[in-house]
Amino acid sequence: GAGVSQSPSNKVTEKGKDVELRCDPISGHTALYWYRQSLGQGLEFLIYFQGNSAPDKSGLPSDRFSAERTGGSVSTLTIQRTQQEDSAVYLCASSSSGQRITDTQYFGPGTRLTVL
Amino acid sequence: KQEVTQIPAALSVPEGENLVLNCSFTDSAIYNLQWFRQDPGKGLTSLLLIQSSQREQTSGRLNASLDKSSGRSTLYIAASQPGDSATYLCAVKFNYGQNFVFGPGTRLSVLP
Repeated sequence: GAGVSQSPSNKVTEKGKDVELRCDPISGHTALYWYRQSLGQGLEFLIYFQGNSAPDKSGLPSDRFSAERTGGSVSTLTIQRTQQEDSAVYLCASSSSGQRITDTQYFGPGTRLTVL
Repeated sequence: KQEVTQIPAALSVPEGENLVLNCSFTDSAIYNLQWFRQDPGKGLTSLLLIQSSQREQTSGRLNASLDKSSGRSTLYIAASQPGDSATYLCAVKFNYGQNFVFGPGTRLSVLP
């Protein structure tokens, strides 16, 4: 079946604008993660969704960042009033396991965000 | 603070060479460690997962070792090929915390 997909693949925006990034997880996967990868840095955890449970938002860097997951499937990461330091590759991953400590994550190709 | 580092940041080798990528982590209390491959424009692909009770894992030309006491893991690639060119990421799941902590990666180029 299809893997994790993300759109757009590239997004260029001006400082101060809002952006929405989309993730379509693998069908049937209950867990979904968002990460951010800045140049020369490791992946930084942003947010975790598991089924209908309240999401783990502990990685979101500021209140300009938010994410939703509708119907337990598609997720949207929204960044308001973008800043240049938000420029990064945003990666989404999904997992079929309900065990966060042991799950195997399947990653999407990422969205490269550039804030001018 | 739980941190993961990788050296070298970049590596270029001629085809056929054996090579070693290094990963270090600051806390020996880990649950598992995973090596990923990242190709440009593509997501991460899991290569090897080592549980804390294991010393090594092998898959084809890849061998990953784990030494918890020294906070180190190595990824050994035998008989490297141009198709091995990618960025290799090490990720550690520490006992305290629910998320993988990723290293910055090693960018490998295998020259034909």
